[in-house]
Amino acid sequence: GQNIDQPTEMTATEGAIVQINCTYQTSGFNGLFWYQQHAGEAPTFLSYNVLDGLEEKGRFSSFLSRSKGYSYLLLKELQMKDSASYLCAVRDSNYQLIWGAGTKLIIKP
Amino acid sequence: DVKVTQSSRYLVKRTGEKVFLECVQDMDHENMFWYRQDPGLGLRLIYFSYDVKMKEKGDIPEGYSVSREKKERFSLILESASTNQTSMYLCASSPPEQGDTEAFFGQGTRLTVV
Repeated sequence: GQNIDQPTEMTATEGAIVQINCTYQTSGFNGLFWYQQHAGEAPTFLSYNVLDGLEEKGRFSSFLSRSKGYSYLLLKELQMKDSASYLCAVRDSNYQLIWGAGTKLIIKP
Repeated sequence: DVKVTQSSRYLVKRTGEKVFLECVQDMDHENMFWYRQDPGLGLRLIYFSYDVKMKEKGDIPEGYSVSREKKERFSLILESASTNQTSMYLCASSPPEQGDTEAFFGQGTRLTVV
């Protein structure tokens, strides 16, 4: 079966750095997405990786290793507004998105 | 500003009722999706559509049907609501191109079946 694994919850301190990991086992691979979802709101797109390596976008970076079936989202200079759930999704060989359960990130002052 | 709009934020329905969840997008996207989101589970695909009048079953279509009569509108129908269909329902749309094309989500409908 297809599977996406992420930690359920993480806690970090304002101003610090946090890394959220995602491992996947899917039938084929056509890209990996990270989305942010604040409580009670819609998911919003953060990043996309299809080739190995690091993609940087301001305070957020996303890394991919296809051979390891592994990605991480790195958030720097954490702010209170970064408190949210972070969803990892992989597009499989049928171009369907397979979603992880999400990681709830709690930021403490 | 791109927009996917779901008709209701909150709904309470009785067991056995027929329930309609409406979704409209203004981005002229071909692809539209209905997901449900439950605590501890990822987004699960119920149905999707790549074109008007076209529909495909997702991973959990049982108990649901859909309608896509117009490109901008994709409706999810619960034929006879049951308590296990209490959930957050999310509609999304995306353009047909592959690559880094992202999906845009509506604000969600929290449905409670009593």
